[in-house]
Formats: sequence, C-alpha cells, structure tokens
Amino acid sequence: AQSVTQLDSQVPVFEEAPVELRCNYSSSVSVYLFWYVQYPNQGLQLLLKYLSGSTLVESINGFEAEFNKSQTSFHLRKPSVHISDTAEYFCAAWGNGGATNKLIFGTGTLLAVQP
Amino acid sequence: NAGVTQTPKFQVLKTGQSMTLQCAQDMNHNSMYWYRQDPGMGLRLIYYSASEGTTDKGEVPNGYNVSRLNKREFSLRLESAAPSQTSVYFCASSWGGAGELFFGEGSRLTVL
Repeated sequence: AQSVTQLDSQVPVFEEAPVELRCNYSSSVSVYLFWYVQYPNQGLQLLLKYLSGSTLVESINGFEAEFNKSQTSFHLRKPSVHISDTAEYFCAAWGNGGATNKLIFGTGTLLAVQP
Repeated sequence: NAGVTQTPKFQVLKTGQSMTLQCAQDMNHNSMYWYRQDPGMGLRLIYYSASEGTTDKGEVPNGYNVSRLNKREFSLRLESAAPSQTSVYFCASSWGGAGELFFGEGSRLTVL
C-alpha cells in the first residue's frame, strides 16, 4: 500500500531546544516529498519540498529535511525552536501508478513548544 | 491575492440535510482537490479534478458528490448529511503533476 507514516503524534520540546519530526514513506510512493505546516484554525502551508537534486532541503524559517532513499525517510529538523513554531506538521508524498494524482498525507505531528 | 477561497467557514446541519461547500481559486491552476481532516487521521482525499471537465474519486468518496463548474470552481455536495461527516473540509489546488498544493482555510462542518 502507498502510505506516509508519522510515528509521533505529538512532540513536546522546550524553547531553543533542537527537534526532529520523523517521516517514513512506503517504497511504492513517488519521491516527490513535502512537509506542510498547519497553525491553529488555519489551512496548510507548504514548509519545504524535495523534488530532485540535493537531498537536504531548507525552509526560510530554519527548518530542514533530508531525503534518505535507503531508509525511505524524510525527517524534519530544526536546531533551535521558538514558541511560534507550535503547530501541526504533515509529511506528504505523491502517489505512483494509479495514485499519481493523489498527494498522500501522514497523520500529522503536533509540535508543542514550551517556554 | 485571495488564493483558494472556501465558503462557508462554519456550518451546522441536522442529519439528512443537504449542503454544498464552495471552493474557488484565482491562480489559474489545472487541478483541484477536496480533503477532509479528522483528529489522528491526517488529511484524506475525497475527490479531485485533474483538469477542467474531469473528476475522480479519492480515498473516501462515499456520501459526497463534486462538480468542477469551470477552471476556477470546484464544489463538494453532501446529499444527506450524516454525523460521520462531521469534519473540517479543505479545498486545494495545484498546477498538476508533482507540484505543491495550495490550501484554503477550511470549512468546519458539524452534523447533529
């Protein structure tokens, strides 16, 4: 089955600490990978994406993700989080075969930054 | 720029009532999508329209119908609402292919 897995439903972390949000994808999905962020009562916004090229991709607000083909992972990291990073984060991948028109989402990870 | 606009933002229905969620995008995108978001389940695709004039079922289409009215607009209809359809609904659009989706702010629907 084509799937994206986010094992951590919630990640509590103190402000200025580093964080990693884990994402694994099934080998049957495409390697067009995305991280979206959802702030409370808002829609989803693109945080960063991997389509090809360098396996390390960065966002404008200090997040980065590394595409790891051998481990089928696309983990999201930030070296020092802020209160304003509190949000839900979704990993996603485009499907393959009969699902090429479908962006498949993980179940989301709530990043809760505490002072 | 408005981007993707959804109406209404909030709606309360009784079981059996019908309603239509409206979505419009002003980015000249080819593809449009309807997702529902439920706690612990992420976003699940209901229907999508790869291009004007076409619609296809997603992961959870039962109980819903869609219309791609023109290139800008993609509506989602609930013919006979059920409590299981209580959810937050998101419309999204994209150029197509493997690009990013642009999302609306969501429509929160409660079915009593």
